[in-house]
Amino acid sequence: AQKITQTQPGMFVQEKEAVTLDCTYDTSDPSYGLFWYKQPSSGEMIFLIYQGSYDQQNATEGRYSLNFQKARKSANLVISASQLGDSAMYFCAMREVNTNAGKSTFGDGTTLTVKP
Amino acid sequence: DGGITQSPKYLFRKEGQNVTLSCEQNLNHDAMYWYRQDPGQGLRLIYYSQIVNDFQKGDIAEGYSVSREKKESFPLTVTSAQKNPTAFYLCASSRGDTQIYGYTFGSGTRLTVV
Repeated sequence: AQKITQTQPGMFVQEKEAVTLDCTYDTSDPSYGLFWYKQPSSGEMIFLIYQGSYDQQNATEGRYSLNFQKARKSANLVISASQLGDSAMYFCAMREVNTNAGKSTFGDGTTLTVKP
Repeated sequence: DGGITQSPKYLFRKEGQNVTLSCEQNLNHDAMYWYRQDPGQGLRLIYYSQIVNDFQKGDIAEGYSVSREKKESFPLTVTSAQKNPTAFYLCASSRGDTQIYGYTFGSGTRLTVV
């Protein structure tokens, strides 16, 4: 079974609007971290935001927030006030402490296009 | 500023050749990783190392080899046994093997077989 599932291969959003990128995960490890990375066309992966499995509150970093619903195993990324520079591929990833030697597993990504 | 340096940015390989991709970090990170990315797809783990002089195979290690003789360096060799090596290769490092730390990535090497 896929450990990380991103069901939206491509998304479009109008500039200045908010957008939600979906991510569901599968693990039996009680200790894990969830991450979102941005990959612009240049190729480099940029860390955006982190959510720990024991965190009670949703993580926020500037215009990025993570909507963490543990019971549903969901970790959606919300980008507020989209900018043209947000156009990129976005990857959801998970690190499991006890069952996967701390390695990260990545989803297949969502390509976001911001329209002017 | 600390970071990860991958070189070269572009690499062309002839059939039957071995090539080595360089990855150097000055972040004092213990763990280092190599991922392969095919067009429009996610990252697949090739090899990883959590400590100097030790490394483990990832999900797609066949046709690749690595070494970790220094904490700062984790070179990847793509051997002639790798039948379809054309891809984008990303090196990453992390402070530890717990879930707290995310990865820092290099800028990648794009390998093409000619």
